[in-house]
Amino acid sequence: RKEVEQDPGPFNVPEGATVAFNCTYSNSASQSFFWYRQDCRKEPKLLMSVYSSGNEDGRFTAQLNRASQYISLLIRDSKLSDSATYLCVVNMANQGGKLIFGQGTELSVKP
Amino acid sequence: EAGVTQFPSHSVIEKGQTVTLRCDPISGHDNLYWYRRVMGKEIKFLLHFVKESKQDESGMPNNRFLAERTGGTYSTLKVQPAELEDSGVYFCASSQGGLRVAQYFGPGTRLTVL
Repeated sequence: RKEVEQDPGPFNVPEGATVAFNCTYSNSASQSFFWYRQDCRKEPKLLMSVYSSGNEDGRFTAQLNRASQYISLLIRDSKLSDSATYLCVVNMANQGGKLIFGQGTELSVKP
Repeated sequence: EAGVTQFPSHSVIEKGQTVTLRCDPISGHDNLYWYRRVMGKEIKFLLHFVKESKQDESGMPNNRFLAERTGGTYSTLKVQPAELEDSGVYFCASSQGGLRVAQYFGPGTRLTVL
């Protein structure tokens, strides 16, 4: 079983759609959580950190449920520029801060 | 502020040759990490430096890989001798302020071993 599992994708949605990504992690010792975005042949870029209380940044909302070891990302009013691969990432701070990545979910927003 | 930089952006070598990758972290970042993505797989951790000290190299595939961080500034990752399965994208990331904070990635080095 992978340590971080994401929806396999790809997701193909029209502009303006709302899209949700789901992620589960297996190690309860995971200590911090992130969504990164990766464009084709580019590096991962931090989209947002994820907190238990939930957090929002514009059109993006992230949620964490520690009890069920589940993380989500919601994108509202999707734009063409949101097309990318979204990576669910957990931080093992008790193991020196190394990041554990999901395999990513590809999103394609069409006109 | 300059981000994480890596050199070269691409490297194509033959099996058995040696390649050295370089990473310059964000200035002042004590934590430096190396990761690798092989085709079709998720990004995986290789090792972690705090300043010049290796903290965790549990992700290094084998002893053909050697990482250094001279003076706690830039880092190098040498592969000697390279094998076909070493092909992939090698990312460097850095962070400062604790182990729970986000890491910032460089553009990566795409290594192809023929």
